[in-house]
Amino acid sequence: SAVISQKPSRDICQRGTSLTIQCQVDSQVTMMFWYRQQPGQSLTLIATANQGSEATYESGFVIDKFPISRPNLTFSTLTVSNMSPEDSSIYLCSVGTYTTGELFFGEGSRLTVL
Amino acid sequence: GQQLNQSPQSMFIQEGEDVSMNCTSSSIFNTWLWYKQDPGEGPVLLIALYKAGELTSNGRLTAQFGITRKDSFLNISASIPSDVGIYFCAGSPNAGNNRKLIWGLGTSLAVNP
Repeated sequence: SAVISQKPSRDICQRGTSLTIQCQVDSQVTMMFWYRQQPGQSLTLIATANQGSEATYESGFVIDKFPISRPNLTFSTLTVSNMSPEDSSIYLCSVGTYTTGELFFGEGSRLTVL
Repeated sequence: GQQLNQSPQSMFIQEGEDVSMNCTSSSIFNTWLWYKQDPGEGPVLLIALYKAGELTSNGRLTAQFGITRKDSFLNISASIPSDVGIYFCAGSPNAGNNRKLIWGLGTSLAVNP
């Protein structure tokens, strides 16, 4: 499986600011995804990061709040905009395929908003 | 959105005991996956299942794709302290190239040495 690296691993941010999380994969992958895991909760898919086109967002998530870039097949960023304490979560980058459904995850970025 | 029913929510066992957890869905699934998440880490894929009745092992872990296609089980034999973590099931009712995953809420496992 691919090696997936995320930066930052954790951060503490002030309300109203924005933070960009980076995801780097050691090989070219077709599909990259961004997940959110709120404290003590399961995983929720935010969006599919599409290379060369706009991301595909799941219900309840919008581009203005979570803009995503995917400039090539090995890199993506997720920005959490105008943060509030409710955005305190672990944000996970994953790669995989809809053919098998198998997903592989980065170590996550733990965000705390004060 | 749709969620899987995963149980138990948490378990506290003695080292050496066997563990069993399961997931059920209200609809037929074509894929079942089991993940483990250690504190501060992302989930790691343990076992993937694609056929009804399929039984697959990974070391001390064994998972089964239920014959009704609506459930899956994960068993851990002879538990050790490093088994501690949260175990998630995930599955998809879709087939072909559209196996978007639905996630369970997790089973938190604690092992007393």
